[in-house]
Amino acid sequence: DAGITQSPRHKVTETGTPVTLRCHQTENHRYMYWYRQDPGHGLRLIHYSYGVKDTDKGEVSDGYSVSRSKTEDFLLTLESATSSQTSVYFCAISVPGSYGYTFGSGTRLTVV
Amino acid sequence: GENVEQHPSTLSVQEGDSAVIKCTYSDSASNYFPWYKQELGKRPQLIIDIRSNVGEKKDQRIAVTLNKTAKHFSLHITETQPEDSAVYFCALGGKLIFGQGTELSVKP
Repeated sequence: DAGITQSPRHKVTETGTPVTLRCHQTENHRYMYWYRQDPGHGLRLIHYSYGVKDTDKGEVSDGYSVSRSKTEDFLLTLESATSSQTSVYFCAISVPGSYGYTFGSGTRLTVV
Repeated sequence: GENVEQHPSTLSVQEGDSAVIKCTYSDSASNYFPWYKQELGKRPQLIIDIRSNVGEKKDQRIAVTLNKTAKHFSLHITETQPEDSAVYFCALGGKLIFGQGTELSVKP
């Protein structure tokens, strides 16, 4: 749907383990974003990318890193997962000039 | 930095009534104001947006109004239907900053 897929859809991991979430797009869009969604907080921006190897931090970037080695893939890594990172993670893409975002289906991550 | 406050957090209306959700923001440089709808367990989807050069935009039963002087914008849904039940998010900016969300419940 809309050329953006996230994997995995669900994941349970243990505290202290590394976790990588993948966002893949087939639209060749330049801009990609990672958000987390928590009750009462809406969607908060973690990191975003404006091109291959070009990334920047969002408002809640602590504990997260990202990589974008090719246009179609944007990876989000939790180096050492903590319970506070239990959340639903959404990837999004946007088209320059239109501003509208298209979101992926989300990844539900549980850290136990 | 940019900040957006959204109210109310929950809203319950009878089918056929109107619903209004309001967002206020602090950054006067913001020039793009979208609204997203998220159904339970689904992804957020853009339903309407407005740029700063217009004061109102309508699309069938939904409309968005913008008051740049007062720094607030609102979503208006008329003739609500049960399928309008969802969480609605306002947002602003090019690198979107989202409000906290409003859970709308339309009772038949």
